[in-house]
Amino acid sequence: QVQLQESGPGLVKPSETLSLTCTVSGASINTNYWTWIRQPPGKGLDWIGYIYDTVNIDSNPSLKSRVTMSLDTSKNQFSLNLISVTAADTAVYYCARRGLPGGFDYWGQGSLVIVSS
Amino acid sequence: QSALTQPPSASGSPGQSVTISCTGTSSDVGAYNYVSWYQQHPGKAPTLMIYEVNKRPSGVPDRFSGSKSGNTASLTVSGLQAEDEADYYCSSHAGSSKFVFGTGTKVTVL
Repeated sequence: QVQLQESGPGLVKPSETLSLTCTVSGASINTNYWTWIRQPPGKGLDWIGYIYDTVNIDSNPSLKSRVTMSLDTSKNQFSLNLISVTAADTAVYYCARRGLPGGFDYWGQGSLVIVSS
Repeated sequence: QSALTQPPSASGSPGQSVTISCTGTSSDVGAYNYVSWYQQHPGKAPTLMIYEVNKRPSGVPDRFSGSKSGNTASLTVSGLQAEDEADYYCSSHAGSSKFVFGTGTKVTVL
């Protein structure tokens, strides 16, 4: 059974970098599109971006200048870095697998990140 | 890329049907058959209910069905049950492996 688990700091100061890691079990990180999605408190879902391998990476145009993503195949993990955060980046961050055509079939439980001094 | 438009709320009595619309543009919903739908209960991660417009993942009841016409996709929940009360989000491929989500619809079972 495929499982995803987000990990990282729950509190980040404004202007600093938000860093999250998603650990995958039950599937190889070398296949499928691995995705980050966020949800501000009380609001809807926002697609952040995906990573397929070290070359195929893309992100939401609204976040592109601040987002980097990477894979660690030795640990079966993928990561998200979001630089220069503001309060508007406060959200529950989900990692997910796009394992079906256009469908995110497995999700992590979500990690709440609050941006505050 | 702008969020897809969904009605904020929808409701129905147990046993009835409810249909949720998801309106995009000719660059996302209208261009691709990669529309999916997600159910989210409070405090939980979303769950995939429909992918590729009208396909159900294993384990999703056939009470859930999807369709698309032009730039608008729809999710229909037939035979409403209490556990169907949740938020529902649509999503569409928007070109170059990018995706966009809908604004979300809260479904209430009366």
